[in-house]
Amino acid sequence: ELKVEQNPLFLSMQEGKNYTIYCNYSTTSDRLYWYRQDPGKSLESLFVLLSNGAVKQEGRLMASLDTKARLSTLHITAAVHDLSATYFCAGSQGGSEKLVFGKGTKLTVNP
Amino acid sequence: GAGVSQSPSNKVTEKGKDVELRCDPISGHTALYWYRQSLGQGLEFLIYFQGNSAPDKSGLPSDRFSAERTGGSVSTLTIQRTQQEDSAVYLCASSLGIAADTQYFGPGTRLTVL
Repeated sequence: ELKVEQNPLFLSMQEGKNYTIYCNYSTTSDRLYWYRQDPGKSLESLFVLLSNGAVKQEGRLMASLDTKARLSTLHITAAVHDLSATYFCAGSQGGSEKLVFGKGTKLTVNP
Repeated sequence: GAGVSQSPSNKVTEKGKDVELRCDPISGHTALYWYRQSLGQGLEFLIYFQGNSAPDKSGLPSDRFSAERTGGSVSTLTIQRTQQEDSAVYLCASSLGIAADTQYFGPGTRLTVL
């Protein structure tokens, strides 16, 4: 059974700083997803990572996947307040499309 | 274009009552998913429909929960004899049904069972 763990669960950072959110998963995952959720809102897709070594970037966010280490990272560069949100990673397994989510990382970027 | 829509946005019910939650997927999306989000359990998969295939019901927590998808489009999640632990945000998502395709989530229905 696939399990997904994120850390940290809470992250408070200053504007302009860099930081990384980690997502470990327990068994082979076909692919890895990153979502963003603003308070009271639904989930917004950020990235889909399909293969070992995949790297995707959008603005100040960059996601990568290391299938051998069963690790994905979400790197935040020069954080701005607008990035404050909860970030979830999710995996899927065995050809199934159902997603298994981590508990989320609540990011707060302080001015 | 229009995204995934869900109704109602909020539902308050009394313990023991039945509720129906509705999901309208993105037009052309053959795959439809239900998840729920609660403080205690996080985001949990409930059920998945893909085209005409039998649904994957492996995430339904009890036989009080059921879902159907009519005409390959709209889906209804029904919870019978609601319990307080059913209180959560129920999220619907849809995708093209192609492997590794992004799942697009609706705004959710917040269910409160008193």
